[in-house]
Order: sequence, then structure tokens, then C-alpha cells
Amino acid sequence: AQSVTQLGSHVSVSEGALVLLRCNYSSSVPPYLFWYVQYPNQGLQLLLKYTSAATLVKGINGFEAEFKKSETSFHLTKPSAHMSDAAEYFCAVSGGNFNKFYFGSGTKLNVKP
Amino acid sequence: KAGVTQTPRYLIKTRGQQVTLSCSPISGHRSVSWYQQTPGQGLQFLFEYFSETQRNKGNFPGRFSGRQFSNSRSEMNVSTLELGDSALYLCASSPGQVSYNEQFFGPGTRLTVL
Repeated sequence: AQSVTQLGSHVSVSEGALVLLRCNYSSSVPPYLFWYVQYPNQGLQLLLKYTSAATLVKGINGFEAEFKKSETSFHLTKPSAHMSDAAEYFCAVSGGNFNKFYFGSGTKLNVKP
Repeated sequence: KAGVTQTPRYLIKTRGQQVTLSCSPISGHRSVSWYQQTPGQGLQFLFEYFSETQRNKGNFPGRFSGRQFSNSRSEMNVSTLELGDSALYLCASSPGQVSYNEQFFGPGTRLTVL
């Protein structure tokens, strides 16, 4: 069975500060991990994905995530937040059962000027 | 390539009615998944179709059903609508052959049940 836990439903940072969004997963098979972003009234857009190659994955808009098997984590980071990063972020895991994605509950990122 | 399209974008229905939502995947994608998104429950998986066959199913009542056509386009139907069915319904497409294929999402259909 697979699941995802996102710690913190709301995260607030100042513009220019580090962004850290936490994701922990549970998987009985080697996982594939994804981060998606959703802007208001839009669908989800892929930020980055881990598919068992490099453990540090770089995505769009300056985001990156590191796969840590020992900690079963896949936290999302960005060195310097921008106002346009304000959105909801979802971590997801798949694997084993084709195309069945398990999404976390989401983290809303607020960026203060 | 054109992205995933969903029609209609907005719908208002009353309790007891039924509704059909449509999704056109990215050209060449054979898998279509449907999700329900609500503020309280978050993103919940409804079902996934691959080459016209339902391959995965979430924990939703039988009022929620879907199908996929030979051109990979998919429809989702909800019968006997309830107030709790008000949600954003998202469709996602994928090539579908392997689990590390990401899903590409459409903009969603906002359903309001009065």
C-alpha cells in the first residue's frame, strides 16, 4: 500500500526566504514521487518527479527535491521565495499499481512581501 | 501538443439530477484518470481508464461511473446528484504504460449542486 503525508497544511514565508514543504511517503514497492503545484481555479502542474535516477531532482521555477530513502521523505525546497510561488502544492506517489497516484492533502504556500 | 481539455468548465445542477463531464487527453495518451477535489477531502481518486478498460478504481459509490472511447476521450457520469458532490472534478492523462509516467491535468470542471 502507498500513502503520502504532507506536514503543514499552510506555510507562510517572506519573499526571498527559503521555501521548505515537507512530504513523507509510505510504499511497499520502489516509489515514484512527484510534486505538483495548483494555482487558483486551475488544474495541477508538474513541478518535478523522482524516478530512481538521481536522488536530488531539479524542477521548474527553481524548485528541487531530495529523495531520502532512509527517512522516506521527498521534501520540496526553493532557496528564495517569489510572490508568484503562492499556490497549493501536492506531493504524490505511484508505483506498483499502474497509474494509481496517491496524493497528499496539500500545502498552501503564502508568500509575504 | 494541445493539453488536456475538459468540458464544460462550470456546471450548476440540482439534487437528484445527473451530469456528464468530458475529458480529452493529450494526443497519444491512453490513460485517463479522474479525481474529485473538495476543500474538506482534498484530492480523491475516482477511477482510471486505459485503452477503454477501467484499470483502477477509488472508493466512491456506484453513482459515479465513467467510460473511455476508442480515441481515448473519457466521460464521467454522476447520477442522482447530492449536495456533497459539489466539487472540482479533475481529469488527468498519461501515456499509461509505466508507473513513472507523470499525469497531465486538465483545468477541471467546477460542479455546483443546489
